[in-house]
Amino acid sequence: SYEVTQPPSVSVSPGQTASITCSGDKLGNKYASWYQQKPGQSPVVVIYQDSKRPSGIPERFSGSNSGNTATLTISGTQAMDEADYYCQAWDSSLVVFGGGTKLTVL
Amino acid sequence: QVQLVESGGGLVKPGGSLRLSCAASGFTFSDYYMTWIRQAPGKGLEWVSYISRSGSITYFADSVKGRFTISRDNAKNSLYLQMNSLRAEDTAVYYCARFSGVSGWFDPWGQGTLVTVSS
Repeated sequence: SYEVTQPPSVSVSPGQTASITCSGDKLGNKYASWYQQKPGQSPVVVIYQDSKRPSGIPERFSGSNSGNTATLTISGTQAMDEADYYCQAWDSSLVVFGGGTKLTVL
Repeated sequence: QVQLVESGGGLVKPGGSLRLSCAASGFTFSDYYMTWIRQAPGKGLEWVSYISRSGSITYFADSVKGRFTISRDNAKNSLYLQMNSLRAEDTAVYYCARFSGVSGWFDPWGQGTLVTVSS
């Protein structure tokens, strides 16, 4: 079955750029979405179709997807961005989630 | 506003059954595919199942295939997950979410309902 892999954790200093990767075989040929989940809350989509940002999501969130890797980039990271982030893709008609990345802002 | 509210979670013994519901409001329910996604305590997200707009197409994760069924009632704006032969590893918060179709994204998600399988 298809799998996508994320680093378990990423750390970033406030104001700096955070990059979270999601790797999978030929992932660039599929659409990737990214979800943010803060403690005790439900996930929220922050990027869909590789690079599109839903209304209400700050411009500092951006995404790209090429080759075997999709990347979520947070520019000018703020303390409020500390959360778990999950990538998600489709394999034929089935849904695949990455294991999640804990973003720490310190 | 668009809202999804799950219910039906609780404590059930291994081998038992439970039926989850997801009540939708604020949008035309029959225009969207719907899905169930779960999260075991302290773990990541795991897709469980989804259903097409009419209910004619359903898909399941291998981990629940043959034990869970998904259905919807468009007249009642409701989504359901019938869970049979429950195992300890099915313990999780179960979220429902809507999406536009295959290759789509999930938005929004409900608040989740906790299912605990334990003797």
